[in-house]
Formats: sequence, structure tokens, C-alpha cells
Amino acid sequence: GNSVTQMEGPVTLSEEAFLTINCTYTATGYPSLFWYVQYPGEGLQLLLKATKADDKGSNKGFEATYRKETTSFHLEKGSVQVSDSAVYFCALSENSMGGSSNTGKLIFGQGTTLQVKP
Amino acid sequence: SAVISQKPSRDICQRGTSLTIQCQVDSQVTMMFWYRQQPGQSLTLIATANQGSEATYESGFVIDKFPISRPNLTFSTLTVSNMSPEDSSIYLCSVTWGKYEQYFGPGTRLTVT
Repeated sequence: GNSVTQMEGPVTLSEEAFLTINCTYTATGYPSLFWYVQYPGEGLQLLLKATKADDKGSNKGFEATYRKETTSFHLEKGSVQVSDSAVYFCALSENSMGGSSNTGKLIFGQGTTLQVKP
Repeated sequence: SAVISQKPSRDICQRGTSLTIQCQVDSQVTMMFWYRQQPGQSLTLIATANQGSEATYESGFVIDKFPISRPNLTFSTLTVSNMSPEDSSIYLCSVTWGKYEQYFGPGTRLTVT
């Protein structure tokens, strides 16, 4: 079945450091890929998405590229801030053949806790 | 994007009782979902709430334990029945928006004692 694997956390970085959180997936069909973020005490927010191979999603300085050849969707940010401290979830959603519609069912990775120290 | 609210935001319940969680969306949406996030864990899909028909449950979840209603295109409820401490989790509803995006409610934090 479909699955998502994220690098183990927690990840602790100093402010302005470079961030990479690895995410790989296993899927049949044509998945869309997402990164969600959960700030302390808050709900889940969509951070970025990519819906087909070679797409790059970006938002708030974060980027991730959909790599079909390596089945990966690694999250990167060039310079993290204390306010980026949160739990990050990689997720996939299976699309219909040809990508014309989305089943809506999300499969999540286990989450990676990021702590940024000043 | 859709704005989603949930009630209650948190509750502490005794084992053997039931709790109904409400999910309200500010726009009409076709697909609504219920997820569970157990302490320190990732999110797991419980079921898809279908308007006008029975919910579709994922493996490991059954209607008797998690009955769901979807009376219209903006509202759904999830009931956690005959609760045990293992049901202590955050329960989240979500909706699809546009072609690919999915948005989540703030969650209901349930503690069963």
C-alpha cells in the first residue's frame, strides 16, 4: 500500500541554519505530495504542495521538489527562524489516473519535530 | 481557502461514555474527512463523510465505534462511542478544496479517564 517515511526527529538547529527534512514515499498511481506544519498548540496547516513530477512547491521560504525518480519530496529552507519551530508532516494523496481528480485521502508520515534555537 | 471550526475544542470524558464532535465549514464542500492523531503520533484517516449516504470507513475503524453524520455540505459530526483511555487523541476534520488541497480544522483534544 501507499506510505510515507520521514526522517526521525527531533531536529535541533540554530537560527539561520539550513534545514532539510527528508521525505520518501511509496505509491501506486499519481500521488500529489504535501508538507503540513503543526505549530505548538495549533491545528494542521498546509505549507506547500506539488501535484506532479518535477513540480516545486514553495511557501514562506520553504521549498520541496517532487522527485519521481527517487520517490522523494524533501523539505528545505535556507535560513530557519525560531518561529519555524513546529512539527512538520509529509503527506501524499492519491490522484485518479491522469491526475484529473483527488481522492482526498491523505497518508501522513510520522512527523518531524523541528526546534530552532536563537 | 475554507475556514473550519470544531466543537468542542477539548473535553475530558469518563470511560464508557460517548462524545460527539462537530465540524462546521464556512463553504459548501463535497468531501469531508475525519482523522485521529494519537499522542505523539501522526494522523490516521478514520473515515470519509459522504453527504446523503453512509460514511466510508478505513481499515481498523468501524461505524459502531465512530458513527458519523453528514446532513449537508457544510456540517458533519463524529461520535466516539463507549470510550476507553485508548481513545484519547486529537480528532480533526478536514475538507478538500480546489483540485488538490485539503484543509484541517483546529482539532478536538479528547482525554478519556
